[in-house]
Amino acid sequence: RKEVEQDPGPFNVPEGATVAFNCTYSNSASQSFFWYRQDCRKEPKLLMSVYSSGNEDGRFTAQLNRASQYISLLIRDSKLSDSATYLCVAQPTGTASKLTFGTGTRLQVTL
Amino acid sequence: DGGITQSPKYLFRKEGQNVTLSCEQNLNHDAMYWYRQDPGQGLRLIYYSQIVNDFQKGDIAEGYSVSREKKESFPLTVTSAQKNPTAFYLCASSIGGGAGQETQYFGPGTRLLVL
Repeated sequence: RKEVEQDPGPFNVPEGATVAFNCTYSNSASQSFFWYRQDCRKEPKLLMSVYSSGNEDGRFTAQLNRASQYISLLIRDSKLSDSATYLCVAQPTGTASKLTFGTGTRLQVTL
Repeated sequence: DGGITQSPKYLFRKEGQNVTLSCEQNLNHDAMYWYRQDPGQGLRLIYYSQIVNDFQKGDIAEGYSVSREKKESFPLTVTSAQKNPTAFYLCASSIGGGAGQETQYFGPGTRLLVL
C-alpha cells in the first residue's frame, strides 16, 4: 500500500463547477500536510498547507480527518487556469522535513 | 529575486557517463533536497541535506551522489551505476531545523535523457 494515495483522475469538470479531491495516508504519525499544484512539465508549487481545523484560501478549502486518515481539497467556481495536477503531501513526525508525495490527481477544467 | 535555480533544463547522458545537475538557492535555507519524478509516480527522495557539509540518503540513493560544500549549492551527480536515469529531477529547499511543519520550495527541474 502506498503511503499517500490519490485517485489519478482525470477529473473533467466544466468551468464554474465545484470539485473535490480526497487523499488517504497510511502513516498515522504524519503531522503536517500540504497540497501542491503541478502544471504540465513544471515544478510543484505550494497551493496550501492543511491544518487540523480546516482552512480556506479563496476558492480553495482543505480539510483534514485524522481519525480516518484522509485529506481533502475542495475547489469552488473552477477556472480554466485551475487545470493542473494536484499533489497530496504528508510529513511524518520526526522525519526532519522529509515529505511523502502522492502521485497526484489531474484536473481538467473545460469551457 | 529570491528563488531556486536548476541547470541545465535538459541534459543528455551517454551510456557509462557521469553527469552533474546543478541546484542553487538564494533563500538562505539550511535544508535542500533532490527528488526524481517518473510518469505515474510520486516524487521520490534521492538525497537531502539539513546543513552544510552534511547529507543523508533518501529512498532511492543508489547510483547518485551529492555534495554540500556551500549553503547555497547542492549538486547531484548521476553516476553510470544508475541504470535507469531518464526522469525529471527536482531540487527543493526549506528553512530547515526540522522542528515542525516546513514548506519545501522547488526549482524548475532538469529533464535527463539517456542517448
